[in-house]
Amino acid sequence: NAGVMQNPRHLVRRRGQEARLRCSPMKGHSHVYWYRQLPEEGLKFMVYLQKENIIDESGMPKERFSAEFPKEGPSILRIQQVVRGDSAAYFCASSPRGQGIGTQYFGPGTRLLVL
Amino acid sequence: SQKIEQNSEALNIQEGKTATLTCNYTNYSPAYLQWYRQDPGRGPVFLLLIRENEKEKRKERLKVTFDTTLKQSLFHITASQPADSATYLCALDIEDSGGGADGLTFGKGTHLIIQP
Repeated sequence: NAGVMQNPRHLVRRRGQEARLRCSPMKGHSHVYWYRQLPEEGLKFMVYLQKENIIDESGMPKERFSAEFPKEGPSILRIQQVVRGDSAAYFCASSPRGQGIGTQYFGPGTRLLVL
Repeated sequence: SQKIEQNSEALNIQEGKTATLTCNYTNYSPAYLQWYRQDPGRGPVFLLLIRENEKEKRKERLKVTFDTTLKQSLFHITASQPADSATYLCALDIEDSGGGADGLTFGKGTHLIIQP
């Protein structure tokens, strides 16, 4: 049973470009969470999605960031017009039930470097 | 503001001894608290969950306590081994005022080093 998969594992972008990060949850999991980890900082919640729905995006920056979890395919975290401050590790987690009930299973992360 | 604090400095422990990590929080009343392990370059891995009505939880060499009065959790690793060296993260669920589900809120983690 494959765990949470994220790709790419490493992504380099120049300022102003777009970054697309993909996350495939564990089989049977319909709840996906995205987190960002800056150097020397803790994991920060960004967004919580279920299939075709954004449940909570209170941690998402208001501009340039968006997320989706379509009926088919992986969840996508999209960052438009990246800036150097976006350089971080982005982790996806999934759970079989909604947050507030159980644990989350994390992927290996995507490390974004903005030049 | 809401805050979770963990020992920010690295914790060095001799192999075979018990390592104790601390997680303190303010302004929360969490229904449960979780501990995760994170190795360099990898995602966090769930270790233990303890509910507000539980004082202690054990799993093999791991033990977690949860004191809701002190707003503190202690994480113990007994008979520590070099392979236990990692960063350990404390996490709480945060519910908004509407009762909806939010993501986990993590502490910055404590870097544990077990020396042979």
